[in-house]
Amino acid sequence: RKEVEQDPGPFNVPEGATVAFNCTYSNSASQSFFWYRQDCRKEPKLLMSVYSSGNEDGRFTAQLNRASQYISLLIRDSKLSDSATYLCVVNTGNQFYFGTGTSLTVIP
Amino acid sequence: DGGITQSPKYLFRKEGQNVTLSCEQNLNHDAMYWYRQDPGQGLRLIYYSQIVNDFQKGDIAEGYSVSREKKESFPLTVTSAQKNPTAFYLCASSIIGAAYEQYFGPGTRLTVT
Repeated sequence: RKEVEQDPGPFNVPEGATVAFNCTYSNSASQSFFWYRQDCRKEPKLLMSVYSSGNEDGRFTAQLNRASQYISLLIRDSKLSDSATYLCVVNTGNQFYFGTGTSLTVIP
Repeated sequence: DGGITQSPKYLFRKEGQNVTLSCEQNLNHDAMYWYRQDPGQGLRLIYYSQIVNDFQKGDIAEGYSVSREKKESFPLTVTSAQKNPTAFYLCASSIIGAAYEQYFGPGTRLTVT
């Protein structure tokens, strides 16, 4: 079983839509969680850390459910510039495990 | 500006040649990592290091070698033993500790023909 699993998509949504991505992780001892954004042929960049209480950064909201071992990312009022691949990353014992990414295209 | 640099951005080599990819960071991070990314796939860990002169194999270390002679530098050598070396190589660094995120360099795209 993979450490981290994500729905690869693609998600094609119109501008202004709300879109949600989920990610599950297999190790209940995992300690920290992140969402990264990766543009085509570029390096991943940290979008936000995910805290147990949930956290919000502008149009982005991240949540963690430890009991069910999943994290989520909600994007409200999608912009064309949100088009990218979103990577779910889990830190377990100082090792980082990456999902394969979820592709998002925001359509005008 | 603090960050991670990788050079070169694009690299072309003939099959059978070893090639070394550079990674330097000035973030004062103890941990450094090398990943490989193939089209449509996630990042796979090649090697990582948490202290100078020490490093550990990741999931796909065969055909690769690293050194960590300085805290700031973690070069990766792709040897001729690596069967499918063409890929996008990403270097990352982090503070050691579960709460800390990784920062990535811009990557090196290696093509071997």
